[in-house]
Amino acid sequence: NAGVTQTPKFQVLKTGQSMTLQCAQDMNHNSMYWYRQDPGMGLRLIYYSASEGTTDKGEVPNGYNVSRLNKREFSLRLESAAPSQTSVYFCASSEFPDGYTFGSGTRLTVV
Amino acid sequence: SQQGEEDPQALSIQEGENATMNCSYKTSINNLQWYRQNSGRGLVHLILIRSNEREKHSGRLRVTLDTSKKSSSLLITASRAADTASYFCATDPWGHYKLSFGAGTTVTVRA
Repeated sequence: NAGVTQTPKFQVLKTGQSMTLQCAQDMNHNSMYWYRQDPGMGLRLIYYSASEGTTDKGEVPNGYNVSRLNKREFSLRLESAAPSQTSVYFCASSEFPDGYTFGSGTRLTVV
Repeated sequence: SQQGEEDPQALSIQEGENATMNCSYKTSINNLQWYRQNSGRGLVHLILIRSNEREKHSGRLRVTLDTSKKSSSLLITASRAADTASYFCATDPWGHYKLSFGAGTTVTVRA
């Protein structure tokens, strides 16, 4: 099992550019999540999807949009990247009440 | 804002020693989880303890939960170099199984 796969692993964007981070899971989980991790701040929830066809905002949704394309895939889009969005982004999936399974992350730098 | 806070922020121990880290949280919980993150990798689920449990073991890991004090501890016994990582506690303060993570404890095990 691959678990949770994120692409790309690294990305450098210029301010104002857009991009989509891809996430796919093969565990048939209903719930999927996007977090960002900044030094000293732990992980903060950006958006989540409790099931196919539903999405909702987390703690820090501003500047982001998401799409739950199907049960497997949950993408995160930055429409106009800003330096404050420089971070490591993690996708996760889960099936209550089990723990989350995380991807290996996307390291994004906005210059 | 983050629900959980780990203490200490960093911990350095000799191989073979025990490592203890604590987590305090703010609101009532259904369960509390601990995760490990090796450098440059995603988080890995270690253990989940429910609110009606006081102690749980998994291999060399021992977790305690005191809901009256809103705190938990993670003990790693007989530490190994491979235990070098950051450890995060996570709770579900918003419902719908959306986890909030603390900033983590960085553990360094010296050979």
